[in-house]
Amino acid sequence: DVKVTQSSRYLVKRTGEKVFLECVQDMDHENMFWYRQDPGLGLRLIYFSYDVKMKEKGDIPEGYSVSREKKERFSLILESASTNQTSMYLCASSFPAEDPRETQYFGPGTRLLVL
Amino acid sequence: RKEVEQDPGPFNVPEGATVAFNCTYSNSASQSFFWYRQDCRKEPKLLMSVYSSGNEDGRFTAQLNRASQYISLLIRDSKLSDSATYLCVVSPSGNTGKLIFGQGTTLQVKP
Repeated sequence: DVKVTQSSRYLVKRTGEKVFLECVQDMDHENMFWYRQDPGLGLRLIYFSYDVKMKEKGDIPEGYSVSREKKERFSLILESASTNQTSMYLCASSFPAEDPRETQYFGPGTRLLVL
Repeated sequence: RKEVEQDPGPFNVPEGATVAFNCTYSNSASQSFFWYRQDCRKEPKLLMSVYSSGNEDGRFTAQLNRASQYISLLIRDSKLSDSATYLCVVSPSGNTGKLIFGQGTTLQVKP
């Protein structure tokens, strides 16, 4: 059974703080993704990674960076948190696109509140 | 125009009803199609993949019409536990591994 875990379920930070969100998967998936989900806007892709040390910008990368030093771990970093980054952050992982099992598996999400 | 469009609802139906959700996608080269389910304050989970020939999983039937760029999900004999948001998901062309998510359609099944 695929398991994707995220470091925190709830997080409260202050404007300007550096925030680290961590995601770990145990299925040896090559692909990992970070999304944010906001009411009325759905899931929006922030960054994704095809392999260790590889990263690609998604649709809304501004204000975020990522790190993938190990295959199982993908970190999302908010360099200087702002109130408009208050959101639900979801991590996902999957096999490569050509694999018939390509669907994405999600972690439980982190609800981040920036004050 | 959004890449994947769904009616957000909510759809309020009585137990036992049959309900259908529709979804349209803009990229005709899209390759794979899925329906995900998301319960309130939880993560999305795969409900079923959608194949060109249509497919059924118990009370759930998914269909794809490539010519019209249209995907549907039919739920028969609705249960209270079917109450959730249903996300239409499309894999764009190019084998990137990325998925494009619709905003979701909310279903509320009432006793």
